[in-house]
Amino acid sequence: AQKITQTQPGMFVQEKEAVTLDCTYDTSDQSYGLFWYKQPSSGEMIFLIYQGSYDEQNATEGRYSLNFQKARKSANLVISASQLGDSAMYFCAMSPDSGYSTLTFGKGTMLLVSP
Amino acid sequence: GAGVSQTPSNKVTEKGKYVELRCDPISGHTALYWYRQSLGQGPEFLIYFQGTGAADDSGLPNDRFFAVRPEGSVSTLKIQRTERGDSAVYLCASKGTGELFFGEGSRLTVL
Repeated sequence: AQKITQTQPGMFVQEKEAVTLDCTYDTSDQSYGLFWYKQPSSGEMIFLIYQGSYDEQNATEGRYSLNFQKARKSANLVISASQLGDSAMYFCAMSPDSGYSTLTFGKGTMLLVSP
Repeated sequence: GAGVSQTPSNKVTEKGKYVELRCDPISGHTALYWYRQSLGQGPEFLIYFQGTGAADDSGLPNDRFFAVRPEGSVSTLKIQRTERGDSAVYLCASKGTGELFFGEGSRLTVL
């Protein structure tokens, strides 16, 4: 069974600052995928970034980067230069293979960006 | 449409009633997923279709829940004898060769 833990119910950051959202995971699979999704108040889950368990380099997508530490089983999301529009719920998730199959989600972190 | 479309966006029903929630995936996407998101929680997997068949229904909580995708496109999630604990947002997602795309969900409230 897979498990995702997000220990930060809420985070505050000032506009233009960087913020790290924590995620730890547990799995017995050798091959797995790690994901971050953003959920604004509209409810839609928006894909942000993906890291495969065998990827040696940390994934980056624009202002998003995934700090992957395999030995620690952590997959923290770093958002650089925060914007007001980044205010939303953020979910860490994992799949039981390196693809995009069935996802297990954490409970989420609410990020609020202040001017 | 361009994205995953879910109807209704909101549904209020009484305990014991039957409800259907519809998902219209992105055209050409063969994989379709249903998730349930309770208040304050992350989405939980319910069922996955590859084409017309349910490839994995291990997340369905009990036999009151059923889903179909008869022509490999639109899917309907059916809930019989609804209970207050079924109140949640039901999210649908579809997938082609890349990432999952989610709809905005159907919010179900059982009174």
